[in-house]
Order: sequence, then structure tokens, then C-alpha cells
Amino acid sequence: QVQLQESGPGLVKPSQTLSLTCTVSGGSISSGGYYWSWVRQHPGKGLEWIGYIYYSGSTYYNPSLKSRVTISVDTSKNQFSLNLSSVTAADTAMYYCARVVGSSSWQLDYWGQGTLVTVSS
Amino acid sequence: QSALTQPASVSGSPGQSITISCTGTSSDVGNYKYVSWYQQHPGKVPKLMIYDVSNRPSGVSNRFSGSKSGNTASLTISGLQAEDEADYYCTSYTTISTLVFGGGTKLTVL
Repeated sequence: QVQLQESGPGLVKPSQTLSLTCTVSGGSISSGGYYWSWVRQHPGKGLEWIGYIYYSGSTYYNPSLKSRVTISVDTSKNQFSLNLSSVTAADTAMYYCARVVGSSSWQLDYWGQGTLVTVSS
Repeated sequence: QSALTQPASVSGSPGQSITISCTGTSSDVGNYKYVSWYQQHPGKVPKLMIYDVSNRPSGVSNRFSGSKSGNTASLTISGLQAEDEADYYCTSYTTISTLVFGGGTKLTVL
């Protein structure tokens, strides 16, 4: 059973960089066939796809966030990470990591529990 | 990319059927069979309910079904139950190799 767990600061100051890590257990990020994704949800709002990464390092981002987002992968630690730069209060949200079945389906089949990040001074 | 369009809310009585629509464009829903649906109860993690337009993951009730016509996908829940009350989101793969979510639909079981 694949499990994902987000970790990182719950409070980030405006203009700084939000950094989160997702640790994957029960399966290898390097096994192929899957993309590893970040999704966020503003308080009381809908889901927003941020981007995903393949174990090889190929990345795809939401065009609306592309200029501020970097997703990276560390296969040795079975982790992938999100960096979101120049944050404002509008980036306050629940951040989820999820596994995407790539190439043939593009479904998000496993999700982490989510971590709430607040942007405030 | 613009979010897929879903009705903000739908409602139905126990035992009835409801359908939630998800409208995109020829750059996403209309171009691929890669539409999936997620159920999210308040304070909970989204749960995959339908993938590839009409397939159900193991363990999901057969009361949930999906379809697609042109640029619009649909989720139908038959035999509505109180536990179905939740938010529902669609998502689609796009021609620029990204994913896009719908705005979400709040289902109320009367």
C-alpha cells in the first residue's frame, strides 16, 4: 500500500519561499509509470493542480504558477519536493502530494493527508 | 489553462439519482478519455471515484458511474445515500501535458 506524507513549515513569511517535502513509502518513486504531484486547496475553495514530476526529473507545471514553482525529486530518499517562491497571503492553503498514474490514465490514486501552510508575517 | 466548469451545487433526495457535469474544451476533456472524479468530505482527503471517464477503482460503489460526450464529462450517482453528501471534483489531462481540475460541486442529500 503506497503512502505519502507531506512535511514542512506550517508558517511562511510573505515574499519568502514555501518548501514542502513528500515522503513516499510502500513503493519506489523510481519504479516508473507514475508522476508525483502537488495539489493545493485554498480555505473553503476547490482543488488546484500545481505540477508533477517524473522520477527522471521531467516536470510539468500549472501555467498560472509556473514562474514561481519548482518541483524536484530525490530518488535516494524516495521523496519529492515543492518550492514556491515569493509567496503572499494568497498562497495560504492546504497542500497535498499525490501519485499520478501516468501515460495511460492520469488519475491521482494515492494522496497524502495534506499540510496546511499559512503565509503571514 | 482555465478550470473545468462544474455546477456549484446539486441536490437530491435519498434513493434518487443525480448527475454532475464537467465542461472543458477540445484541449482537455474533449481530446482525451483521461477524466477522473474525486469525492471530498469536509476536512478529509480527496478520494478517487472514477478514472478514465467511466472506470471505478476497486472498492468504489457501483452506484457511481461516469460518461463523456464531446467536451463534457458527467458523474452520475444513483440510489443517493446520506454518505454521498460531499464535494465532487473532476479533472482532465490536457494537450500541454498538465492536469486541470473543475471548480467543484457541493452535493447535498436532502
